[in-house]
Amino acid sequence: GQNIDQPTEMTATEGAIVQINCTYQTSGFNGLFWYQQHAGEAPTFLSYNVLDGLEEKGRFSSFLSRSKGYSYLLLKELQMKDSASYLCAAPDQLIWGAGTKLIIKP
Amino acid sequence: DTGVSQNPRHKITKRGQNVTFRCDPISEHNRLYWYRQTLGQGPEFLTYFQNEAQLEKSRLLSDRFSAERPKGSFSTLEIQRTEQGDSAMYLCASSSVRGDTEAFFGQGTRLTVV
Repeated sequence: GQNIDQPTEMTATEGAIVQINCTYQTSGFNGLFWYQQHAGEAPTFLSYNVLDGLEEKGRFSSFLSRSKGYSYLLLKELQMKDSASYLCAAPDQLIWGAGTKLIIKP
Repeated sequence: DTGVSQNPRHKITKRGQNVTFRCDPISEHNRLYWYRQTLGQGPEFLTYFQNEAQLEKSRLLSDRFSAERPKGSFSTLEIQRTEQGDSAMYLCASSSVRGDTEAFFGQGTRLTVV
């Protein structure tokens, strides 16, 4: 079957770094997406990886290993506004993980 | 506003009634997706269109659910004979036809079946 797994919840401290992992099993692969979703709002796009390696975009970076079916989202210099759910999705955004709720503490 | 628009934002209906939701995607986007999301879960794929063609439909989707995109622009999602388990947020998203492009989401329609 096809599925995406993420931790349910993580807690981190303001100013710190946190890594949110995602493992996937899909019948095809056309890239992996990361989205951010604040409570009561729609998901918004963060990053897309189709090749192995790290993609850096400001405070957020995303890593992909296709051979391991594994990705992570790295958030640096955490701010209170980063408290949200982080969702990974693949392929073609048809399969989504349940999301990782990130709680930032002062 | 040039984003994805969904109507209505909220719908309360009695069990057994039919409901229809509308989604207006970003005008130049070919792909349109429908998802269902419940509290604490990620979006659950329902169906998607490329232009007016419905390319895939979730096997989890019951026969009570139907979607259309008649002219390749706006789309409607109908749920017949609603059940309490249908209560959820229904999200629409659109993207260009390339698989590596992000999806832009509407604000969703929250359905409550009483």
